[in-house]
Order: sequence, then C-alpha cells, then structure tokens
Amino acid sequence: KAGVTQTPRYLIKTRGQQVTLSCSPISGHRSVSWYQQTPGQGLQFLFEYFSETQRNKGNFPGRFSGRQFSNSRSEMNVSTLELGDSALYLCASSPPGASEKLFFGSGTQLSVL
Amino acid sequence: GESVGLHLPTLSVQEGDNSIINCAYSNSASDYFIWYKQESGKGPQFIIDIRSNMDKRQGQRVTVLLNKTVKHLSLQIAATQPGDSAVYFCAEKTDKLIFGTGTRLQVFP
Repeated sequence: KAGVTQTPRYLIKTRGQQVTLSCSPISGHRSVSWYQQTPGQGLQFLFEYFSETQRNKGNFPGRFSGRQFSNSRSEMNVSTLELGDSALYLCASSPPGASEKLFFGSGTQLSVL
Repeated sequence: GESVGLHLPTLSVQEGDNSIINCAYSNSASDYFIWYKQESGKGPQFIIDIRSNMDKRQGQRVTVLLNKTVKHLSLQIAATQPGDSAVYFCAEKTDKLIFGTGTRLQVFP
C-alpha cells in the first residue's frame, strides 16, 4: 500500500504570497491531519479533516486553512505568508476506527523569504 | 500552539546499550499516548502506543512506561542500534494529538 504522499517536497515563497500544499492519504484512510514542524516549537497541530469536514482545529490564525475532497485528498492553504511560516508541513492520515494512529508523509518544506 | 515537554535534549548512547527517553505530559485527562520516531528527511513514524488504563506495554525491543501520578512517559529501547538514531517524540491525546518537541538519540559505536 502506498504511504501518505505530499507535494511539493520543497517550496520557496516570498512574504505576502500564498501557498497551497497537497496531501494524498493512504488508500482507505478518511481522516487527514496537518501539522507544522519547526525547530523551536516542534509539531503543532493545524487541523483535522474527516469526510470533507473539519473535525478539529489548532491555534493558528485564519491565514491557515484547509479542505478535504471526496476522495479524501486534502489541501492546506496559507495566505499572506510571513517569514515565521517557514516550516516543515506534515500531513498524516489515520485508518478507520483509529484516528489517533497517524501515518505521516515526508512533508513539504516551506521557506518564506 | 500547544506542546508537551518544551525541550529538545540529546541522548547519546553506545551501540548495544539500552536507551531511556523521557517525556512529561501536561493534561491529566489524556487517555492515550504514542511514541514516534523521526529520521532525517522523513515524517514521524509510529513506534508504540499505550492507553491510560495501562502502565506498561512492550513491543519489539521497545517498552513504554506510563506513570499517571507524575504525568510521565518513558520509552525504553533495548540493545540500541545505529538505525535507532533519530528524534523521538511523545504525544498525548485528548481531543487531538499534542506532540512534544522531541529528544534526539545519537548512537555511537
């Protein structure tokens, strides 16, 4: 079974721009979660989607948004990028009945200049 | 954002020795705990989990201990190998998973 796939792997943007990251979960997984990882703050929860609905949300500003499609694929969007948004963005999917067991992708490394 | 155990210490062990990685969690209502391993350039990988009604769980070469009285979690790795070198995260679950900032394990020959 293919793992969680995130694209692109690396991304360089400038302040003020917006960015969209993509995540394809493991086949059969309907729950997708997003995390931001930085050296200073570790893994910070962004949001979780299940069956196209946002089920949970972390403490991030409204510039961070996401969505999930009917095939469980998910995207997250960050608008008006700031330097502090530079981070590794990780997507994880969970199998049915075990939403706490996260299977992570390799992440998208976003650099904001 | 929220976080468990805000420091990123480094643990250096000799190959073949046992490793113990510690984690303090914050929420006494957390009912589920997981350890993840993250190698360079990869996403975190599930190692072992434990529910709050247990105090010990064993896997292959790994053991997780849970002390709810002091809100402490530990991961023990037996006969540590070079391939165990990575950053290890504990995570606690209430309505969502909250991760610690991790511990870097370095294994030297």
